Amino acid sequence: AQSVTQPDIHITVSEGASLELRCNYSYGATPYLFWYVQSPGQGLQLLLKYFSGDTLVQGIKGFEAEFKRSQSSFNLRKPSVHWSDAAEYFCAALITGGGNKLTFGTGTQLKVEL
Amino acid sequence: KAGVTQTPRYLIKTRGQQVTLSCSPISGHRSVSWYQQTPGQGLQFLFEYFSETQRNKGNFPGRFSGRQFSNSRSEMNVSTLELGDSALYLCASSPSLEETQYFGPGTRLLVL
Repeated sequence: AQSVTQPDIHITVSEGASLELRCNYSYGATPYLFWYVQSPGQGLQLLLKYFSGDTLVQGIKGFEAEFKRSQSSFNLRKPSVHWSDAAEYFCAALITGGGNKLTFGTGTQLKVEL
Repeated sequence: KAGVTQTPRYLIKTRGQQVTLSCSPISGHRSVSWYQQTPGQGLQFLFEYFSETQRNKGNFPGRFSGRQFSNSRSEMNVSTLELGDSALYLCASSPSLEETQYFGPGTRLLVL
């Protein structure tokens, strides 16, 4: 079955430390891939997306993600985390030919220690 | 450009009632999708509309329905509300199909 997996439910990092959030997908073909962030009581904000081409994509707020076909992964990274990055992060996939149906991972809750 | 707007932002209903939620997409966007977010089930796709036609539907009962108008605005309706329908309902718009979706702030529905 087509699915998106985020293995880490909660992650705690210290402010200024580096961050990597994991995302794996299970699809027959390479889907379009997205990372969204959600602050409490808010909607989802797009951080970055991968459709094709360069496997390292840059997003907003200093985030980047690397697509690795061999590992079916699309991990999100940030070199230095700020306290304002505390939020929930969702990886999502959209299969081509499937309209606009996004399949989301279960999310990773990021806590930042000052 | 203004973002996706959803009204109302908060709603309290009782079991058995029905509810209608509204979504106005980003100007020029022709596709609107709806998602339900709950702590137990996470983010789940409800349905999507493009040019007033429902293109895709998620695995939800027939009590959940929607429509899209000629100006791309969309509404979703839930009839005979159940306690389990309490959730954050998110609307997303995109210029067309298989493009990046931009989300609204959501409507938080509480069913008592």
